[in-house]
Amino acid sequence: GAGVSQTPSNKVTEKGKYVELRCDPISGHTALYWYRQSLGQGPEFLIYFQGTGAADDSGLPNDRFFAVRPEGSVSTLKIQRTERGDSAVYLCASSLRPKDTQYFGPGTRLTVL
Amino acid sequence: EDKVVQSPLSLVVHEGDTVTLNCSYEVTNFRSLLWYKQEKKAPTFLFMLTSSGIEKKSGRLSSILDKKELFSILNITATQTGDSAVYLCAVIGADGLTFGKGTHLIIQP
Repeated sequence: GAGVSQTPSNKVTEKGKYVELRCDPISGHTALYWYRQSLGQGPEFLIYFQGTGAADDSGLPNDRFFAVRPEGSVSTLKIQRTERGDSAVYLCASSLRPKDTQYFGPGTRLTVL
Repeated sequence: EDKVVQSPLSLVVHEGDTVTLNCSYEVTNFRSLLWYKQEKKAPTFLFMLTSSGIEKKSGRLSSILDKKELFSILNITATQTGDSAVYLCAVIGADGLTFGKGTHLIIQP
């Protein structure tokens, strides 16, 4: 079946702008995760959804970052007033249940100029 | 705070060599350890290990977990240039999924 998909694959924006990154998980997976990966580092946890609710948002770096999953499937990560330090690859993953194996999407490479 | 440490951080070998990648961890409420291969952006799942001493094998790749000494190894035999990638180790514990920094493996022809 189809894997996790993310759009766009690349996003270039200017400092101060607002961006939205989309994740479409594997059908039937109840858990959805967002990670951020900087060069030379492992993925860093941002937020995790179980169904429609954010079960753990402790990894969001500040209040410029927000994510939603209104119908328990597709999720959108929203970044306000982007800064150059936000540049990274944003990875989305889903799992059938919490604590199960996570399957990753191809990521969105965000570049803030 | 859960912690995963991988070594070496980078490794360059010749095609046909065998490599061993290491992963050690400190985790509260350990549930499982996972290995991923990351070539461009998306990490692709390799193995999930939950029990000590039981080797998981897939072709030329194999992995084993030692829950007493808190580490895992990933072996790749008869390496090929297509094995060049970053190999990520991650552990599921009380903090959810925590990744190491990865081992950047380069296979030279």
